[in-house]
Amino acid sequence: GAVVSQHPSWVICKSGTSVKIECRSLDFQATTMFWYRQFPKQSLMLMATSNEGSKATYEQGVEKDKFLINHASLTLSTLTVTSAHPEDSSFYICSAREDRSGYTFGSGTRLTVV
Amino acid sequence: QKEVEQDPGPLSVPEGAIVSLNCTYSNSAFQYFMWYRQYSRKGPELLMYTYSSGNKEDGRFTAQVDKSSKYISLFIRDSQPSDSATYLCATNNQGGKLIFGQGTELSVKP
Repeated sequence: GAVVSQHPSWVICKSGTSVKIECRSLDFQATTMFWYRQFPKQSLMLMATSNEGSKATYEQGVEKDKFLINHASLTLSTLTVTSAHPEDSSFYICSAREDRSGYTFGSGTRLTVV
Repeated sequence: QKEVEQDPGPLSVPEGAIVSLNCTYSNSAFQYFMWYRQYSRKGPELLMYTYSSGNKEDGRFTAQVDKSSKYISLFIRDSQPSDSATYLCATNNQGGKLIFGQGTELSVKP
């Protein structure tokens, strides 16, 4: 089946630094990739949708200058949390959509900003 | 009103019990319905998906959609401790975005 690899699985960074999270579709070309944020005991909150070669579409309330998304190829999307602060600490999950297999999720990245 | 409503639980059952997880949705245009299982600190994994009304069975899992009442269900037979996880119902809108329920936390006690 379709596999999405997400790295790193966890990261700790200092306040004010930037962190990059990678999401790769391993055995299929993803026409669309999605980035979610999840707080403890809560459901997934969609942050943005990205299509290869075009700018990401951000959901209302998500700062696009803080959460930079790059979808450079059909198999790779990256999320960069810029100038991270403790309130950005969360679980970030990517999802890739392939026309036949539907939506496949990465294993998530736990970000802790200290 | 949320587009997809799901009781967050938590739900605790003894091993071997039949588990019933339910969601309601508001938009009659929704056609594809999915159930995801999410273990702690992991990404969701697709369990079942159904199109329109009807039942779909896969091993111990049965997904059911009743479009007349906008109600979707997931039944787990002979529940196991390894089934302990959060279960999320979802549908997708015309723009291709997934809309999730809040998730139900299930605990199966040995």
